[in-house]
Amino acid sequence: GQNIDQPTEMTATEGAIVQINCTYQTSGFNGLFWYQQHAGEAPTFLSYNVLDGLEEKGRFSSFLSRSKGYSYLLLKELQMKDSASYLCAVRSGSTGGGNKLTFGTGTQLKVEL
Amino acid sequence: SAVISQKPSRDICQRGTSLTIQCQVDSQVTMMFWYRQQPGQSLTLIATANQGSEATYESGFVIDKFPISRPNLTFSTLTVSNMSPEDSSIYLCSVGQGASEQFFGPGTRLTVL
Repeated sequence: GQNIDQPTEMTATEGAIVQINCTYQTSGFNGLFWYQQHAGEAPTFLSYNVLDGLEEKGRFSSFLSRSKGYSYLLLKELQMKDSASYLCAVRSGSTGGGNKLTFGTGTQLKVEL
Repeated sequence: SAVISQKPSRDICQRGTSLTIQCQVDSQVTMMFWYRQQPGQSLTLIATANQGSEATYESGFVIDKFPISRPNLTFSTLTVSNMSPEDSSIYLCSVGQGASEQFFGPGTRLTVL
């Protein structure tokens, strides 16, 4: 089976940096995704990691350690609009696009002034 | 990125009736996925829709309750049959593009009375 853990809630200040952690236990690991989801909207793709290390994309970075079953999403220069739920999802299965994702419960981030 | 549309965007249905949700993608994709997001919860995979073959259902989901069609590489439908209030959820269609991206449609918000 799959087990994915994230903190339920986090609060941070506008302009600051926040790190959202995700730990997972899975068989057949084939990539880890981060999504942002605003209330009432569909998830929006943020990042993808399949190899160890850091992937940077603007204000957002994602890190993966496969040996530790650990990832984090780093958000810099926080803005009020970053207040959302952040979902960690692990892909399992054979190589190729579109394998099934198992989602964590999501981390609700609140950005305050 | 793939552009995914879903119909209807929302519906309110009576207990015991059925609703068919459509998912249209602007490019051909091998696999399409149907997820459910119950209120306040994360996403759960219902099934993988394969073109030309039966859908593959996850544990806890059965074809009689959630029949799926996949007539071609750009379209799929999910039917929620004999609905009860417990079926009130957001239903999301998802597709993968290559190995590193997976996108979601805007979702169908279903309320069962």
